[in-house]
Amino acid sequence: QVQLVQSGAGVKKPGASVRVSCKASGYTFTGHYIHWVRQAPGQGLEWMGWINPNTGGTDYAHQFQGRVTMTRDTSTTTVYMELSRLRSDDTAVYYCARERGPGNSFFEYWGQGALVTVSS
Amino acid sequence: EIVLTQSPGTLSLSPGERATLSCRASQSVSSTYFAWYQQKPGQPPRLLMYDASSRATGIPDRFRGSGSGTDFTLTISRLEPEDFAVYYCQQYSGSPWTFGQGTKVEIK
Repeated sequence: QVQLVQSGAGVKKPGASVRVSCKASGYTFTGHYIHWVRQAPGQGLEWMGWINPNTGGTDYAHQFQGRVTMTRDTSTTTVYMELSRLRSDDTAVYYCARERGPGNSFFEYWGQGALVTVSS
Repeated sequence: EIVLTQSPGTLSLSPGERATLSCRASQSVSSTYFAWYQQKPGQPPRLLMYDASSRATGIPDRFRGSGSGTDFTLTISRLEPEDFAVYYCQQYSGSPWTFGQGTKVEIK
């Protein structure tokens, strides 16, 4: 069965970086884009971008460009999302989600989420 | 960017009642690229509907999605206790993917 297992939750100081990982299993890793979505406490869902695990190609939401980097490791079927220059308003649960694909598609499977708290 | 506006913000209903949730897009969205998700506290979102009207695997037929262009609707015919949650609409016609702000369906 398809699983996305996340790690990387924790408390970070303002200005630091955080890397959240998303280990995929149960399907062909390179066959489906992975997206990242975040949710601030009590708020809605905010799309951050996607990575194509096959090529490593990425597309980031405008508001995160310059601060976010999405990468993948095909040997471990893991996708990473690194967010730099953290601010207090980056406090959120960060989710990875797999598209059904191919192409523009909905999010069929989600990770359990990783809570990142930015606090001095 | 396509902005999605959901209404109402909160829907207070009793089990067994019908729920009608709306999502309006700032520009036309192909129904092929429209989804609904359900989210319960402490859980990730769960896919309910895709392509506007197709139910995801395991979703009961009391959930129905409809709409086209700029107006989309999620209808829950008879609310079960497990249906009380927050519902988000989403368009995936291209970058950026966007979500509505959510509609909370709460027990009256």
